[in-house]
Amino acid sequence: AIRITQSPSSLSASTGDRVTITCRASQGISSYLAWYQQKPGKAPKLLIYAASTLQSGVPSRFSGSGSGTDFTLTISCLQSEDFATYYCQQYYSYPLTFGGGTKVEIK
Amino acid sequence: QVQLVQSGAEVKKPGASVKVSCKVSGYTLTELSMHWVRQAPGKGLEWMGGFDPEDGETIYAQKFQGRVTMTEDTSTDTAYMELSSLRSEDTAVYYCATDLKGSGYFDYWGQGTLVTVSS
Repeated sequence: AIRITQSPSSLSASTGDRVTITCRASQGISSYLAWYQQKPGKAPKLLIYAASTLQSGVPSRFSGSGSGTDFTLTISCLQSEDFATYYCQQYYSYPLTFGGGTKVEIK
Repeated sequence: QVQLVQSGAEVKKPGASVKVSCKVSGYTLTELSMHWVRQAPGKGLEWMGGFDPEDGETIYAQKFQGRVTMTEDTSTDTAYMELSSLRSEDTAVYYCATDLKGSGYFDYWGQGTLVTVSS
């Protein structure tokens, strides 16, 4: 199974900050990576797929980059509604696997 | 738009089985590739299995092989996930999830079903 290592596991940031979250795959997965946002008590919400394609309706302050084994989610200007937990997921091969999550908290 | 509505919370004793349903609307179940993801309290997301449209088969995560069965009733557009031999570690929120392209990422999720395993 492909392991996904996500870092950091948590971070504190202020509104307006630029935030970067990283996922590293244990083997190359081309661009078969998705990013999700999850708020407490809610189902995950798809933000980005194919490593860098923004899902319809997702604000442009979210962006994704990378291919192969190293990927990044960037939030360019953190808003209050962005405080949540973020997960990456590879869909290159089965079993599908998720990163461990990054909790973005208010500083 | 796809809507996924799951069945309600369950409390089960260790050793029992649970069957969670996921009702599809907006599309038919045959147009979708349904998957199941679970999340233990305070933990991350864990893929349990789902339909692989390339092979036309349901694939299960090795961890759940022999204990999980995913089925579909196309007459009612309802997907089911049954997990047997429950133990306390199976206490989690169980989600059905899908996407229209069968790509393996998920842009539609059910609201989640909390399954509590306790004696």
